[in-house]
Amino acid sequence: SQKIEQNSEALNIQEGKTATLTCNYTNYSPAYLQWYRQDPGRGPVFLLLIRENEKEKRKERLKVTFDTTLKQSLFHITASQPADSATYLCALRGTGGFKTIFGAGTRLFVKA
Amino acid sequence: NAGVTQTPKFQVLKTGQSMTLQCAQDMNHEYMSWYRQDPGMGLRLIHYSVGAGITDQGEVPNGYNVSRSTTEDFPLRLLSAAPSQTSVYFCASSYSSTGTGDEKLFFGSGTQLSVL
Repeated sequence: SQKIEQNSEALNIQEGKTATLTCNYTNYSPAYLQWYRQDPGRGPVFLLLIRENEKEKRKERLKVTFDTTLKQSLFHITASQPADSATYLCALRGTGGFKTIFGAGTRLFVKA
Repeated sequence: NAGVTQTPKFQVLKTGQSMTLQCAQDMNHEYMSWYRQDPGMGLRLIHYSVGAGITDQGEVPNGYNVSRSTTEDFPLRLLSAAPSQTSVYFCASSYSSTGTGDEKLFFGSGTQLSVL
């Protein structure tokens, strides 16, 4: 069955360091992959989208890579700040379909 | 801009009761969807719609009905509430679902539902 896996353990890093979050998927042919941020008690907010034929996307301090051979995406936050503390969700939409499926998310804590 | 509006924000039901969660968007988005979020399980897709009059099932559709009579509204109906439906429900919409580059989802603020 289709599966999206994100590290369920929280990631704790020091302010100023680079945070790297992982999204792995199986039994899936994604048309594109998205990353969202979710704060407690709020709905997810879109961050970045990367397509199957793209290797890397950047937006300010954020960088996403997409390796369809490894079936993996990496999400990087450089020069992290305490305000970056949140849960980050990976989402996939498959080719030929309209369903966007989410991973369980990884909680990030950035310490000052 | 209101974006995606969900009502109510909180609801407590007794087992067997029915209710409708409302979702409206004012962005002329063609794609709308409902997710539930449970601790440790992330967001799971319940139903989705690619346009008025068109709906389809997601990952966990049992116990829920939807309809899409207008572009703006996409209500979610619980026919006979069960404790297993206790969750936080999110409605989301996007301009397109067809690979044009406008597939990012806009989420509402959620409805916290408890079924006793």
